[in-house]
Amino acid sequence: EPEVTQTPSHQVTQMGQEVILRCVPISNHLYFYWYRQILGQKVEFLVSFYNNEISEKSEIFDDQFSVERPDGSNFTLKIRSTKLEDSAMYFCASNEYREGYGYTFGSGTRLTVV
Amino acid sequence: GESVGLHLPTLSVQEGDNSIINCAYSNSASDYFIWYKQESGKGPQFIIDIRSNMDKRQGQRVTVLLNKTVKHLSLQIAATQPGDSAVYFCAENMYSSASKIIFGSGTRLSIRP
Repeated sequence: EPEVTQTPSHQVTQMGQEVILRCVPISNHLYFYWYRQILGQKVEFLVSFYNNEISEKSEIFDDQFSVERPDGSNFTLKIRSTKLEDSAMYFCASNEYREGYGYTFGSGTRLTVV
Repeated sequence: GESVGLHLPTLSVQEGDNSIINCAYSNSASDYFIWYKQESGKGPQFIIDIRSNMDKRQGQRVTVLLNKTVKHLSLQIAATQPGDSAVYFCAENMYSSASKIIFGSGTRLSIRP
């Protein structure tokens, strides 16, 4: 079964440093997303991406965040200057359709900011 | 506003019994609902979904019930097994804003042997 692949599985970074979280969506999917989950809390929407541009973003997704699809396979989330409160699991998801069915999540990257 | 919430944060069930996990939503415009299972260290995994034009949908050992009158969603798991131990999230997706899924707070299901 096709999977969404995320790397690394765990990243530790110093506060103020830049991090890039990487995702390889399912190959025929057109819609891409980032979500995050602070430990013990619910999964929160960050951003959606379609046709090489952001479709929608939440208020969490401020100027410190950016997304990019640098080639035909990768989808990245960059945090320019990490804060302690950015520590969370970050999940990438992709979808073949605009609607919610068919969403597939990756296993996540655990980001720890120290 | 948009809100999907769960009645109980934890649920303990005897192995072999049926589990029922409940969820309330507040936005009457929501027209698509999904249940996800999340095991430790993994991403949300799709279990079952239901459109707002239905009130019941069945899968393998799982049933989702939708009561639009009281904005209530439930997930029933038949003959609960140890492998069902996980956190279960209800979520909603609206066609008017179909690019994102809004998750509820989650219910942790634990299985007693």
